[in-house]
Amino acid sequence: EGQLLESGGGLLQPGGSLRLSCAASGFTFSNYPMTWVRQAPGKGLEWVSGITASDGRTYYADSVKGRFTISRDNSKNTLYLQMNSLRAEDTAVYYCAKVGMATIREGMDVWGQGTTVTVSS
Amino acid sequence: DVVMTQSPLSLPVTLGQPASISCRSSQSLVYSDGNTYLNWFQQRPGQSPRRLIYKVSNRDSGVPDRFSGSGSGTDFTLKISRVEAEDVGVYYCMQGTHWPPITFGQGTRLEIK
Repeated sequence: EGQLLESGGGLLQPGGSLRLSCAASGFTFSNYPMTWVRQAPGKGLEWVSGITASDGRTYYADSVKGRFTISRDNSKNTLYLQMNSLRAEDTAVYYCAKVGMATIREGMDVWGQGTTVTVSS
Repeated sequence: DVVMTQSPLSLPVTLGQPASISCRSSQSLVYSDGNTYLNWFQQRPGQSPRRLIYKVSNRDSGVPDRFSGSGSGTDFTLKISRVEAEDVGVYYCMQGTHWPPITFGQGTRLEIK
């Protein structure tokens, strides 16, 4: 089924930058689209960004477009999220998630444990 | 963006009794390929989300058969035939038909009465 392990979260001030990483194992990483989903404290799930498997096309929620960049290194089985110009409203647990089939339309079947990002002055 | 509306938002249930969660979308979720991309997730307290059902009614591997999904168009339902203690948590519907973006419902918190 596979495993995902996020890292890189932390506490930082508004306007700062952070890069999250997600190490994948137990499945052929290069075959699957990947996504980031976040959850603000006490709130629901919000899709943040997605990237296709082979050609690396990227997609973003309007709330992060122009500030966040998703990327992947298939040789390292790793997914990234570069977060710039961070705002207080970006405070959340960030989950890395594997798309279940060839299309993200079917949702995500493997999730990481999450990494916490706190933006506060 | 497609808005997903769940009801109820809080669901107290007696152990062994059935439970039902409704999810409505602001647009039909039938895609051009004929599939309907409505998925359900469970998030137990302190845990990451877990997909239970994809494409309306397909259970994921390892999901007990007391969970079932149904619906069409804009109206969908997740049913638990007999609630067990391990079912406590928050349940989310998610649409993938009109992505990007993927959108989730607000979540329904299931608790034991």
